[in-house]
Amino acid sequence: DTAVSQTPKYLVTQMGNDKSIKCEQNLGHDTMYWYKQDSKKFLKIMFSYNNKELIINETVPNRFSPKSPDKAHLNLHINSLELGDSAVYFCASSLLNQGAYLVNEQFFGPGTRLTVL
Amino acid sequence: GQNIDQPTEMTATEGAIVQINCTYQTSGFNGLFWYQQHAGEAPTFLSYNVLDGLEEKGRFSSFLSRSKGYSYLLLKELQMKDSASYLCAVIDSNYQLIWGAGTKLIIKP
Repeated sequence: DTAVSQTPKYLVTQMGNDKSIKCEQNLGHDTMYWYKQDSKKFLKIMFSYNNKELIINETVPNRFSPKSPDKAHLNLHINSLELGDSAVYFCASSLLNQGAYLVNEQFFGPGTRLTVL
Repeated sequence: GQNIDQPTEMTATEGAIVQINCTYQTSGFNGLFWYQQHAGEAPTFLSYNVLDGLEEKGRFSSFLSRSKGYSYLLLKELQMKDSASYLCAVIDSNYQLIWGAGTKLIIKP
């Protein structure tokens, strides 16, 4: 059984389109994350949700909007896609410790390779 | 600013030992992770250090010196499947996870 799953695995689209990436975890974790990994391989955190509440919102364009319908799902919607959005997007999840929420290891999904043409 | 430094790339021979270093300057410290990432795949957890010293886990060991802002990942008896990127990540005082760019390890026969 896949612990953290993402769909789609590959996404190719035109500039200006709107697209969504879905993420689900079946680990019973409290916290979910979205990361962007660009061609230089830097992993940059974008958002973090704990029990459906936003707890990290790094400086990303407001064209990116996360949605968490329940604590097992964290979807990422991107409006008006730009060439610079091309990257691999990883979803991750972890347990939460009070006051130490990132001390637990994160489990990553397989990634979504987004290519904007 | 916050900074994590790792070598960009290293090459080693199958069966040998390699040490991948990570130095960090962060606002506070609440632990350091090492992750392995094979090309085209997701990062997977290798180790977590929060106290000084060496943590051994099979062929992989991770060392931490908080006073020096330094860690290393030691891989022994290298196998071809160890070819991957190794990511160092530090938790700062705000419990933000700061990632290094990773070290690409190439194993040659």
